Amino acid sequence: ILNVEQSPQSLHVQEGDSTNFTCSFPSSNFYALHWYRWETAKSPEALFVMTLNGDEKKKGRISATLNTKEGYSYLYIKGSQPEDSATYLCASRFYFGTGTSLTVIP
Amino acid sequence: GAGVSQTPSNKVTEKGKYVELRCDPISGHTALYWYRQSLGQGPEFLIYFQGTGAADDSGLPNDRFFAVRPEGSVSTLKIQRTERGDSAVYLCASSPTGGGGTEAFFGQGTRLTVV
Repeated sequence: ILNVEQSPQSLHVQEGDSTNFTCSFPSSNFYALHWYRWETAKSPEALFVMTLNGDEKKKGRISATLNTKEGYSYLYIKGSQPEDSATYLCASRFYFGTGTSLTVIP
Repeated sequence: GAGVSQTPSNKVTEKGKYVELRCDPISGHTALYWYRQSLGQGPEFLIYFQGTGAADDSGLPNDRFFAVRPEGSVSTLKIQRTERGDSAVYLCASSPTGGGGTEAFFGQGTRLTVV
């Protein structure tokens, strides 16, 4: 079992603010790092799968970076919108963190 | 449908009973995963299938839990002698290839309540 940790646990931001959260994972035996968005009453939706140290991925206003040597990944949201409100989960291979709950206030 | 389908969406059962939860993955996906999610927690890994075989079942909490995927598509998670602590949302996911290195697609989950 891999210990995957996410911070902060929850976050409230104003519409238009940019924000970021952290996922930390064991750097040894790294395989892949996943980010998911999970909206209430829906299924978790994959955002990124990252495998290489230094990877940077972007989808619209959301981007992520990966540092496998030190065991962390950052997820960034630029210009947050109310529809970004969700729980953001990261997973190292099969093992998930507890998520960061983001609320964007209009 | 094109997505991962889980049935039933809700299941209420009495303590001690046997339950089966079904997952129908995306057609052609060789990898299938079962997770359990309790309130305030992230999804907890249970088991990973590659084709018909369980490639990693290290997350199954005890021998009351068992899963099968006999033809490499539909999977059934079976729980014997259910306990109140088994109450959770059970999530299934599939991916085109296995090992946890590719994007996984999740179903809506089965909410199991043991009373």
